[in-house]
Amino acid sequence: GAVVSQHPSWVICKSGTSVKIECRSLDFQATTMFWYRQFPKQSLMLMATSNEGSKATYEQGVEKDKFLINHASLTLSTLTVTSAHPEDSSFYICSARTPLGEQYFGPGTRLTVT
Amino acid sequence: DAKTTQPPSMDCAEGRAANLPCNHSTISGNEYVYWYRQIHSQGPQYIIHGLKNNETNEMASLIITEDRKSSTLILPHATLRDTAVYYCIVRVAGANQAGTALIFGKGTTLSVSS
Repeated sequence: GAVVSQHPSWVICKSGTSVKIECRSLDFQATTMFWYRQFPKQSLMLMATSNEGSKATYEQGVEKDKFLINHASLTLSTLTVTSAHPEDSSFYICSARTPLGEQYFGPGTRLTVT
Repeated sequence: DAKTTQPPSMDCAEGRAANLPCNHSTISGNEYVYWYRQIHSQGPQYIIHGLKNNETNEMASLIITEDRKSSTLILPHATLRDTAVYYCIVRVAGANQAGTALIFGKGTTLSVSS
């Protein structure tokens, strides 16, 4: 199957700082990428849908000014958690959609805000 | 997308077949059944999908009932590495699903023991 990478795999940051997470589709072009968040012992929750060259669409309850998403190319989407707080500590997972509609997931990024 | 219902947990002995059920009684005619799994602290991994015929690949078999209201994922010879959360998701497939993300329920936690 197609490969999706994320960087970094884990990050620790101080409260009030911003963190950027990268998501790349390595062997296909993804016009659409998705960002999910997963808290311990819970399922994946969709945060936003990112389309190349346009603004992201956020799910209800997700602050667009706090979680900045940029999908500048067909192989790269970034999620920036601005002014991070301890409650933003979570497992962030991106997913990329192939032109045929298949959806592949990255390995996830563990964010810890101290 | 139609809703799915899965048991919260199941146990399986190593080397035995693991049969994971999923109910999707409101499935529409153009909706596929997808199965993903998530091993602890990793991104979800695609397993298999099907519309109405039974499907088999190198990972698993998918049995869909004739009325399509339920399905069973079969791991023929479970190993310890198959311990994961298994998600059954129903959605329309194909390139027409621009912008439509996979929505995850709570899934079934499969524990394989020796």
